[in-house]
Amino acid sequence: AQKITQTQPGMFVQEKEAVTLDCTYDTSDPSYGLFWYKQPSSGEMIFLIYQGSYDQQNATEGRYSLNFQKARKSANLVISASQLGDSAMYFCAMREGGNAGGTSYGKLTFGQGTILTVHP
Amino acid sequence: DTEVTQTPKHLVMGMTNKKSLKCEQHMGHRAMYWYKQKAKKPPELMFVYSYEKLSINESVPSRFSPECPNSSLLNLHLHALQPEDSALYLCASSQDSQGSGEQYFGPGTRLTVT
Repeated sequence: AQKITQTQPGMFVQEKEAVTLDCTYDTSDPSYGLFWYKQPSSGEMIFLIYQGSYDQQNATEGRYSLNFQKARKSANLVISASQLGDSAMYFCAMREGGNAGGTSYGKLTFGQGTILTVHP
Repeated sequence: DTEVTQTPKHLVMGMTNKKSLKCEQHMGHRAMYWYKQKAKKPPELMFVYSYEKLSINESVPSRFSPECPNSSLLNLHLHALQPEDSALYLCASSQDSQGSGEQYFGPGTRLTVT
């Protein structure tokens, strides 16, 4: 079973509008972290935002906010006031707490990604 | 400074060549990672180094050999690669592999095996 699911292979948004990129996750570990990364065509993975499983409030970083719904196991990324430079692939990822020294320790699992295109 | 650097940016090598990819960070991070990424796919973890010791090897073929000479440097030695090994190789670092800190990625090396 996939641990991270991104159901939108592609999304389109008009410049200056807001867009939500979906991400659901699956884990039985009470301690985990959720991440969003942006990957432009140049290839570099750019860290955008982080949400810890014990965080009470939704994370925000500038125009990025993470809509964390723990009971639903969803961690959607909201980009407000889209810009042309936001066009890129976006990956949701999870790191489970695991047990120290276990095989999953420190491992980041990525979803399949969503390609966002911002239209002028 | 949240910079991870990787060299070279592009590499073309034959199946009998030996080459190395290099990664460097000066953020004082104690965990470093190698990922392999095929086009339009998510990165796949290859190796994790924690405090300069190999802590995770995701069953990577022995033609890929990682090395962590010190806490700032991470190398990936390549030998007798196959054409299907052509991909973007990403290096990343984080404060450590135990905490919840984010991983910072380098720009990657685009490898083509001919």
